[in-house]
Amino acid sequence: ILNVEQSPQSLHVQEGDSTNFTCSFPSSNFYALHWYRWETAKSPEALFVMTLNGDEKKKGRISATLNTKEGYSYLYIKGSQPEDSATYLCAFTPGTYKYIFGTGTRLKVLA
Amino acid sequence: DARVTQTPRHKVTEMGQEVTMRCQPILGHNTVFWYRQTMMQGLELLAYFRNRAPLDDSGMPKDRFSAEMPDATLATLKIQPSEPRDSAVYFCASGLGRNQPQHFGDGTRLSIL
Repeated sequence: ILNVEQSPQSLHVQEGDSTNFTCSFPSSNFYALHWYRWETAKSPEALFVMTLNGDEKKKGRISATLNTKEGYSYLYIKGSQPEDSATYLCAFTPGTYKYIFGTGTRLKVLA
Repeated sequence: DARVTQTPRHKVTEMGQEVTMRCQPILGHNTVFWYRQTMMQGLELLAYFRNRAPLDDSGMPKDRFSAEMPDATLATLKIQPSEPRDSAVYFCASGLGRNQPQHFGDGTRLSIL
């Protein structure tokens, strides 16, 4: 069974704080790692797709890194703002076309 | 911007009725996924298609759920008969392959009374 685990499940930070969370996935049979941002009452939106060990991607204040050998990815948010409040999902694609999602990290940024 | 379109956005019906949810994937996308949002698991994969062929529907209760792609512009998810425990938000997503992001529709919020 292929499992993707995300930690922490939830966290609260103050506006302006930087934060990071983890996605752990099987290191064998890796094809790609995806990050999504999911706001309440909306649908998930793609943030990053990473395929190579050592990949780093950045979009504004959000960045992500990838370690395929040890099976983890970090998502970083610099200077959190209330509008960053959302659930952040990661998904792992192995050799099939199936995306295996984690249960997400729920972030609440307090003003 | 191209979008995945799901209809209806909301559906309220009585237990035992047939429910059909529709999805129009982004033109040119060759993979289509059906998910159900759950409290415990976040996104539960129900079924997915590649080039209109079903690749995996192991996440669906086979006795009542069915998923089809009659053509490249339409995917359907049917529940017959519906039960109160089927109440959830159902998302459709489409994409171009496993190293590309999925694009999600706005979801169908289903309530079975």
